[in-house]
Amino acid sequence: QVQLVQSGAEVKKPGASVKVSCKASGYTFTGYYMHWVRQAPGQGLEWMGRINPNSGGTNYAQKFQGRVTMTRDTSISTAYMELSRLRSDDTAVYYCARDLGPVVVAATFWFDPWGQGTLVTVSS
Amino acid sequence: EIVLTQSPGTLSLSPGERATLSCRASQSVSSSYLAWYQQKPGQAPRLLIYGASSRATGIPDRFSGSGSGTDFTLTISRLEPEDFAVYYCQQYGSSLTFGQGTKLEIK
Repeated sequence: QVQLVQSGAEVKKPGASVKVSCKASGYTFTGYYMHWVRQAPGQGLEWMGRINPNSGGTNYAQKFQGRVTMTRDTSISTAYMELSRLRSDDTAVYYCARDLGPVVVAATFWFDPWGQGTLVTVSS
Repeated sequence: EIVLTQSPGTLSLSPGERATLSCRASQSVSSSYLAWYQQKPGQAPRLLIYGASSRATGIPDRFSGSGSGTDFTLTISRLEPEDFAVYYCQQYGSSLTFGQGTKLEIK
């Protein structure tokens, strides 16, 4: 079955960077866009951007431009999200989520399935 | 940016009752670009409805979506115990945004 497994929780100091991984299985990794969504404690959902695992092409939400970098390693079917210059308000659970539609058709921007989430805590 | 406003913030109902959740957009959204997710405590969200009215794989038919323009609705025809959760709407137009969520709690 399609599964996304993320790396473990991280604690970082303000100004540092964090890199979260998302390992895909059960489907052709390069066939579907991967998105990243975050959720601050007790808050709603916020889309950060997406990566085309086939080409490596990315689209980032304007809010995160210049601070986020999404990459992938097709040899191990893994996507990465790196967020730099961390602030306390970046404390959140970070999710990877696969796009519902195949890349060869078009991104749907519907997310299914999701990874289990990675808690990133930013604290001095 | 399109703002999605969900109402009510909290909905208290009993198992077996019908739930109606609303999602209102600050400007018109193509029906093709509206989705609903369910999130239970400590879990990732799960896609329920996409394209305003299409059920995702494995979603029971008691879940249905409707609406167009700026007003969209998620209906759960007869609540099961496992349906009590937080529900989010999401749109993709010129940007991608989520509503703030509706908490469906047991009365």
